[in-house]
Parts: sequence; C-alpha cells; structure tokens
Amino acid sequence: GAVVSQHPSRVICKSGTSVKIECRSLDFQATTMFWYRQFPKKSLMLMATSNEGSKATYEQGVEKDKFLINHASLTLSTLTVTSAHPEDSSFYICSAERLANTGELFFGEGSRLTVL
Amino acid sequence: AQSVTQPDIHITVSEGASLELRCNYSYGATPYLFWYVQSPGQGLQLLLKYFSGDTLVQGIKGFEAEFKRSQSSFNLRKPSVHWSDAAEYFCAVNGGFKTIFGAGTRLFVKA
Repeated sequence: GAVVSQHPSRVICKSGTSVKIECRSLDFQATTMFWYRQFPKKSLMLMATSNEGSKATYEQGVEKDKFLINHASLTLSTLTVTSAHPEDSSFYICSAERLANTGELFFGEGSRLTVL
Repeated sequence: AQSVTQPDIHITVSEGASLELRCNYSYGATPYLFWYVQSPGQGLQLLLKYFSGDTLVQGIKGFEAEFKRSQSSFNLRKPSVHWSDAAEYFCAVNGGFKTIFGAGTRLFVKA
C-alpha cells in the first residue's frame, strides 16, 4: 500500500518560534497533498491543499502567513507554523492523493504540536 | 454542497458481536465514498472505498460496506468485532474536488 510519512511526530516549542512539519510520500508521487488540523475528539479540519510547484490553496479562515505550506517536490510537502502561539497547539495531519481527484487519501502519522 | 453525517458519536459492542456504523451523505451525484479508521494519536488508515460497480465493497481487517443509492448511505459492517477494532471511524465523501469527513464514530469494544 501507499505510505506517507510525517515528521516529527511530537514537537514542543516556545511561543514566538517557528516549527516545520514534513510530509513525505515514500512510494508514490503525489501532486496534491493536504494538511489538516484535528482538535481533541473532533473530526479533521482541512487547512489547505498543497500542489506541487504552485501556491497552496487555503481554506477560509486559515491564515496563510501563519501556516506556510511548501510543496517543492512530488514527494514532499512542508507545513511551517510561524510565530507559534499556545492556541496553535494541536494535532496536525497530512495526507497525499495517489490517484488525482479520487479522494483516495493516504495519511501521515500526525504531528502533535505543543506551544508553551 | 456535499456533506457527511455519522449519526452515532460512539458505539459500544461486545467482542465477537457484529458491528454496523452508519454514514449518510448529501451530494448531487454519486460521489466517491470512503471509510477510514484512526487509532489514538495516529493518522488515518483507509479501510475501504467505493468508486463504482458492485455496491458491496470489501476492505481490510474484515470490514465491508454497502452503498445504497436510494438511501444515500454507505454503512460499514463487520461480522465479528475484535478488541483491536476499538478506534475512531470516519466516513468520507469526495465529489471530485475535496474530501469531506464525517464527525466520526468512536467504537468501544467490551470483553
């Protein structure tokens, strides 16, 4: 099956610092990757769609200057949380679409961000 | 607009008993349909998918789901639940552009 790896799985940082989370598709090329935020006992909230070689498409209400997304290659997308605040603490999950426009998604393991 | 409803926030079943998790969707045509499972602190894993054809689809871990167009449903079933099936289950719909997830159903398995 398709494998998506996300790193780091856990990160703790101080307020005001920036944190980068990586999402890699290990055995397939993904032109599109997605970033989600999940609150405790809640469903996934789509933050943005990351397209290789172009700017990410952000969902309404998501600050693009705060959550920087870069999709530099067909196997790597990164999410950088800039000037982190405690309210940014959350579980962030990425996914990659192996077949375009099918919605068949393969997910990373998730990254737990804690901002002190 | 497309939407997904999972009516049950949580369900408790006894180990060995059968399971059915409900999912209803709203969409103008037949979308692509999925079930994902999430263990605590983990990402989501695809259990099964429906694109077209046979309306009864088989997935991993002994799960199956049946697409019923007339009821706009895609319920997940398993004949005999194992303790390791305890997790959060998400139904998802994709109309060709964006995947929408249901709120999830937490499955508890009692001995």
